[in-house]
Amino acid sequence: DAMVIQNPRYQVTQFGKPVTLSCSQTLNHNVMYWYQQKSSQAPKLLFHYYDKDFNNEADTPDNFQSRRPNTSFCFLDIRSPGLGDAAMYLCATSKTDRDETQYFGPGTRLLVL
Amino acid sequence: DQQVKQNSPSLSVQEGRISILNCDYTNSMFDYFLWYKKYPAEGPTFLISISSIKDKNEDGRFTVFLNKSAKHLSLHIVPSQPGDSAVYFCAASAGGNKLVFGAGTILRVKS
Repeated sequence: DAMVIQNPRYQVTQFGKPVTLSCSQTLNHNVMYWYQQKSSQAPKLLFHYYDKDFNNEADTPDNFQSRRPNTSFCFLDIRSPGLGDAAMYLCATSKTDRDETQYFGPGTRLLVL
Repeated sequence: DQQVKQNSPSLSVQEGRISILNCDYTNSMFDYFLWYKKYPAEGPTFLISISSIKDKNEDGRFTVFLNKSAKHLSLHIVPSQPGDSAVYFCAASAGGNKLVFGAGTILRVKS
């Protein structure tokens, strides 16, 4: 089955220690997104890639970076995690940048100690 | 500034009855609306959508209604089933692929 996969499902890191979250997709979609969702809040778009073009949201902190080495993979790097970065991180894809329907992975829950 | 609001954090409904989930938005540029369903330990999955040129879209037990003048949409599930118990997210787009989500409503369907 074509899908969006996120690894790991749970990640524990220490305050200030860089961490990388991984997303892969078998849908061959052009667009990949990263969302942050804190408890009982709406998922918030951090950035997205349309193919190799990176699109950052204006209010995404510089602490958050992303890499997309190929169509299938996209990474979220948090350079110096703070306690406020503890959240669920959701990866999603869509076929094109005109396509509103997005397909989500199961998410990675990040805990910062 | 929350552009998409789901004011009911939770809803409890008896099996077989209608579930009505509500969503309000503030941005008049939104022209496409979606509902996503999320089970525990899974990502949100697309459920149903509606374009702003319509006021109703139906797919089996699920119907979405859009009232543009009130900036309000609702999702009706009839009849509700225990398997419908999940978190439901409303999302909106102002053209293109960027979605703005609400905070979700937890639906519990009691058997």
